[in-house]
Amino acid sequence: KQEVTQIPAALSVPEGENLVLNCSFTDSAIYNLQWFRQDPGKGLTSLLLIQSSQREQTSGRLNASLDKSSGRSTLYIAASQPGDSATYLCAVGGYSGFQKLVFGTGTRLLVSP
Amino acid sequence: EAQVTQNPRYLITVTGKKLTVTCSQNMNHEYMSWYRQDPGLGLRQIYYSMNVEVTDKGDVPEGYKVSRKEKRNFPLILESPSPNQTSLYFCASGWGSDYEQYFGPGTRLTVT
Repeated sequence: KQEVTQIPAALSVPEGENLVLNCSFTDSAIYNLQWFRQDPGKGLTSLLLIQSSQREQTSGRLNASLDKSSGRSTLYIAASQPGDSATYLCAVGGYSGFQKLVFGTGTRLLVSP
Repeated sequence: EAQVTQNPRYLITVTGKKLTVTCSQNMNHEYMSWYRQDPGLGLRQIYYSMNVEVTDKGDVPEGYKVSRKEKRNFPLILESPSPNQTSLYFCASGWGSDYEQYFGPGTRLTVT
């Protein structure tokens, strides 16, 4: 059974710092991996989707990498801003049921001005 | 605007009173799904649908029903809600071989 872990559970940084959020998964046979952002009272916003054949994806200040063999993904946020404060969720889709996403419990990020 | 909508956004009800949470998407997505989010447990899939009239159980289907009569709608039905169904519910939809999923704003349900 796939298990997804995100460390740390919470992170507080000053504005301008570059930071890395970690996601690990137990079964390397994945179809894709998706990073989401969740704001209080709002739904999940898709940030980046990495297919199993890809190593990384970039969108603006965000860069997500995938290392299937080690069961790890990282989300790199460059030059963090207070508006980046949110909970970041990692979710993996497996070959046996790629329509189902298995989520981690998230990293709550606070960026202080 | 491409979006997934859910109604109601907030609901407080009593044990045993049937309720339906609606979900609609305007992106012509074939795939739709329901998740619940609980503290410490993350999001878990309840039911999903690969297309009209095709539905299947996720990880936590007990106490829930779904139907997919139209491509755009995927309602979640709680026939006899219980307090352990108090949760934050999300509907999602997706399309294409990469199956990137888009989520609705969530429905916070409290069952007393």
